[in-house]
Amino acid sequence: DIQMTQSPSSLSASVGDRVTITCQASQDISNYLNWYQQKSGKAPKLLIYDASNLETGVPSRFSGSGSGTDFSFTISSLQPEDIATYYCQHYDNRAALTFGGGTKVEIK
Amino acid sequence: QVQLVESGGGVVQPGRSLRLSCAASGFTFSSYGMEWVRQAPGKGLEWVAVIWYDGSNKYYADSVKGRFTVSRDNSKNTVYLQMNNLRAEDTAAYFCARYNSGHEDYWGQGTLVTVSS
Repeated sequence: DIQMTQSPSSLSASVGDRVTITCQASQDISNYLNWYQQKSGKAPKLLIYDASNLETGVPSRFSGSGSGTDFSFTISSLQPEDIATYYCQHYDNRAALTFGGGTKVEIK
Repeated sequence: QVQLVESGGGVVQPGRSLRLSCAASGFTFSSYGMEWVRQAPGKGLEWVAVIWYDGSNKYYADSVKGRFTVSRDNSKNTVYLQMNNLRAEDTAAYFCARYNSGHEDYWGQGTLVTVSS
């Protein structure tokens, strides 16, 4: 089974800072990688699909990159409303999913 | 607009059963696979099961295989999760989500299942 290792598990940054989260797959997953935002008590929200594609309606300060085993997710200028936990997620050809452990983002 | 509404959660004793439902609206339900994802209190997201658009294929996480069954009724725009032999570690919020070409673009609000004696 493919494992997704996400880091860091938490971070604290100031408003306006650039924030980067990484996700590593245990084997080559091409670009089968999505990023989700989950705010407290809410359902996850899709931000980036297929590693680098911005979901419709998502602010352009969010971006993703990578392929193969190494991926990154960036918030170019952290905003107060970005406080949330972020998850990477791999999907396979059965539509089975594997999530990373999550990164909790807080404001310093 | 697309809506997914879960129901059926509650408190249940270990070893008992529960059936969750997810009612869909606002899209052609029979054209999309549907996922179940859960989240234990204070923990991360865990995939549970997927059912393809026509019900022809179903896949499960190892943690629920043999105990949970996913099904769908495309005439009722509803997907189900039958959970048998429940354990304390099944306590979680259960979300249904629409699978769209590799990603989950719409999610329900979740329904809470608590397994406790």
